[in-house]
Amino acid sequence: KAGVTQTPRYLIKTRGQQVTLSCSPISGHRSVSWYQQTPGQGLQFLFEYFSETQRNKGNFPGRFSGRQFSNSRSEMNVSTLELGDSALYLCASRRGDDNYEQYFGPGTRLTVT
Amino acid sequence: AQSVAQPEDQVNVAEGNPLTVKCTYSVSGNPYLFWYVQYPNRGLQFLLKYITGDNLVKGSYGFEAEFNKSQTSFHLKKPSALVSDSALYFCAVSPRLLRSNDYKLSFGAGTTVTVRA
Repeated sequence: KAGVTQTPRYLIKTRGQQVTLSCSPISGHRSVSWYQQTPGQGLQFLFEYFSETQRNKGNFPGRFSGRQFSNSRSEMNVSTLELGDSALYLCASRRGDDNYEQYFGPGTRLTVT
Repeated sequence: AQSVAQPEDQVNVAEGNPLTVKCTYSVSGNPYLFWYVQYPNRGLQFLLKYITGDNLVKGSYGFEAEFNKSQTSFHLKKPSALVSDSALYFCAVSPRLLRSNDYKLSFGAGTTVTVRA
């Protein structure tokens, strides 16, 4: 079974631009969560989507948003990029509420200049 | 609020020696506990979990972890470390799900493990 895939793997943007990251979960998984990983703040939860609905959200500004499609694929959007948004963005999927471990994708490395 | 502490930034061991990576947690009610490992330029790989039942949990690649409720700890162990175990290890906790939207993993800061040949 294919794992979680994320595209693109690397991205360079300039301040003020916006970016969209994509995540395809493991087949049959209905939950997709997004995390930001930085050397200073570590791994921080952004949000979780389940059956196209955002169920939980971390402490990030409204510039960070996401959505999930009917095939469980998810996108994350960051508008008006700031230098501090440079990070590794990780997507993770899990089967559903009967299953607690998440499986992570390789991440998208975003650099904001 | 939930939180995880990994008190050691780095752990260095010789190959063949036992490896222990420490983790303590704070969460309301009973916890769900996890260990993940991250290799350079890779995502996190699931190692093991504690949900309920036996306090000693066995996972992938020969790793195990012991849940200690009184000490609120979930230390990761491997009896005989390999050079290939060198990586960044994360402990994570989620509160027990009372509602479907309670699921949210909180991660520790990570512990870098270096196993020397």
